[in-house]
Amino acid sequence: EAAVTQSPRNKVAVTGGKVTLSCNQTNNHNNMYWYRQDTGHGLRLIHYSYGAGSTEKGDIPDGYKASRPSQENFSLILELATPSQTSVYFCASGDEGGENTEVFFGKGTRLTVV
Amino acid sequence: QQQVRQSSQSLTVWEGETAILNCSYENSAFDYFPWYQQFPGEGPALLIAIRSVSDKKEDGRFTIFFNKREKNLSLHIKDSQPGDSATYFCAASASSGSWQLIFGSGTQLTVMP
Repeated sequence: EAAVTQSPRNKVAVTGGKVTLSCNQTNNHNNMYWYRQDTGHGLRLIHYSYGAGSTEKGDIPDGYKASRPSQENFSLILELATPSQTSVYFCASGDEGGENTEVFFGKGTRLTVV
Repeated sequence: QQQVRQSSQSLTVWEGETAILNCSYENSAFDYFPWYQQFPGEGPALLIAIRSVSDKKEDGRFTIFFNKREKNLSLHIKDSQPGDSATYFCAASASSGSWQLIFGSGTQLTVMP
């Protein structure tokens, strides 16, 4: 069973503080993704990675950094958190190709910036 | 500008009816279209997917109808059950590009018993 684990599941941060969201996958997938989910916007891609050491900007990267130190781990970093970054964040992993190309999602991290 | 658009933010049907969720896209390079299902407190999970070489994909009660010329597709849920109540996301990607999934804004389906 494909597994993507996010931590923490809930986080309250202060404006201007640093926040790190962590993600671990046991699927041995090369690709990993960070999305945020907001009502009316669906899932929007923030950063993604093709493998250890690589990070790429997605559609909404401003205010976020990413780090992929290993195949299994992918972090999302908010250096200076703002209230507009209050959202639910999803990490996902997947590999392209095949009839049933699939991206597996974690359960999400609910971040509130006050 | 949304590349993948879901026309309804919410949809309510009665148990036993067929729920129809619509989706359209703009990028002609998109050739893979998955639908993801999300329950409250969970991450989205792949429900069914279609590639642009096909015009129909069926899996049990779930069927995707795809119209390449019109750049739209729909998910039909036959004999809807209360347990199908969830948010459904249409997504698209291009195998010729970076393969990232672009998601629509989602349709929240409620099946009334």
